[in-house]
Amino acid sequence: AQKVTQAQTEISVVEKEDVTLDCVYETRDTTYYLFWYKQPPSGELVFLIRRNSFDEQNEISGRYSWNFQKSTSSFNFTITASQVVDSAVYFCALSEISSNTGKLIFGQGTTLQVKP
Amino acid sequence: DVKVTQSSRYLVKRTGEKVFLECVQDMDHENMFWYRQDPGLGLRLIYFSYDVKMKEKGDIPEGYSVSREKKERFSLILESASTNQTSMYLCASSLYRRDLNIQYFGAGTRLSVL
Repeated sequence: AQKVTQAQTEISVVEKEDVTLDCVYETRDTTYYLFWYKQPPSGELVFLIRRNSFDEQNEISGRYSWNFQKSTSSFNFTITASQVVDSAVYFCALSEISSNTGKLIFGQGTTLQVKP
Repeated sequence: DVKVTQSSRYLVKRTGEKVFLECVQDMDHENMFWYRQDPGLGLRLIYFSYDVKMKEKGDIPEGYSVSREKKERFSLILESASTNQTSMYLCASSLYRRDLNIQYFGAGTRLSVL
């Protein structure tokens, strides 16, 4: 069965610290997509990244970076030099190509609090 | 920019009332989705639609129905609201093509059923 697990319910860091959000997934498909979304206090989920299962290259976008490892079924998200504006709930999600619906399976979410 | 608009940010209803949550997207997306978000459970799919008048059940459809009469609008209906339907409801839309399947979300409707 497909499943996404974000074991960290809440993380609290002080500004400028680096922080890594963990995401572990389960799927029987060989072709799938992985996503990260950010939900700030305003409520709207904001798309951050999508990664194809065939592309294991790590990605960096400014202070954000993502580490995709198929061997451990993980897609971890690191924020370097965190800022107060990074405070939000972060969701990891999985979409299987075979489902043909674009349906997303979400993890439970990790609440990140960055203190000044 | 993709815009997904949910008609209400906050809603308070009484048990037994019929409740309509409306969602409109402006990017001509084929797919539309309704999720509910509860603490510790993440987002769970209620219903989705891949075309006008087409709908499919998600993981937790019980107590809900949907309507999609126009491509841009997807409505979630609580036929007889109950207290266990108090939750945050999020609407999303995406293109049908699997390689372009990024979902874009509205700001959510926080529903309280008293």
